[in-house]
Amino acid sequence: AQSVTQPDIHITVSEGASLELRCNYSYGATPYLFWYVQSPGQGLQLLLKYFSGDTLVQGIKGFEAEFKRSQSSFNLRKPSVHWSDAAEYFCAVAAIKAAGNKLTFGGGTRVLVKP
Amino acid sequence: EPEVTQTPSHQVTQMGQEVILRCVPISNHLYFYWYRQILGQKVEFLVSFYNNEISEKSEIFDDQFSVERPDGSNFTLKIRSTKLEDSAMYFCASIAKPGRLNTEAFFGQGTRLTVV
Repeated sequence: AQSVTQPDIHITVSEGASLELRCNYSYGATPYLFWYVQSPGQGLQLLLKYFSGDTLVQGIKGFEAEFKRSQSSFNLRKPSVHWSDAAEYFCAVAAIKAAGNKLTFGGGTRVLVKP
Repeated sequence: EPEVTQTPSHQVTQMGQEVILRCVPISNHLYFYWYRQILGQKVEFLVSFYNNEISEKSEIFDDQFSVERPDGSNFTLKIRSTKLEDSAMYFCASIAKPGRLNTEAFFGQGTRLTVV
């Protein structure tokens, strides 16, 4: 069965500083990986996804993530955070099968942005 | 941009009561899901639904839960006799067509269920 670990529960970063959120996955086949963001009181919005090909993927809001098979990681990065990036971030892996693409989520990382 | 809509945004119910959470998936999507997030915990898969039947369900999705697509647009989650531990945010999601393409799940804003 697939699983996702996000080692950092909380991260505090200064506005304008860089941000990296860690994600490690366990999956028996080629993983389909996602990062979602949840702003306070909001639903889950897709930031980016990785299926195959280039291991560095670009997403919305200036985010990018790098897939490293050797490390079973899919870390999310942003070079310069904005106050509006304060939110909870979830990494997820999808089991791709005919019955439907069930997502397994990590525990989330809450990002606080200091002025 | 098309979106998944959920109603109500917040529901308070007494323990033992039945609740129905409603979702309108994106119109041309074929697979539908319910997930839940207990406060402070991770988002968990409950059930997937395709062609008017459940395609997969988790161990959380016991006999107290049921899903239905009563018409061409709505997708509902029913909890027959709510328990305190059912208090959570419930998310509906839909996918156009699962498989190796179009695997992006679109999520609704969620319904916060509070059982008192």
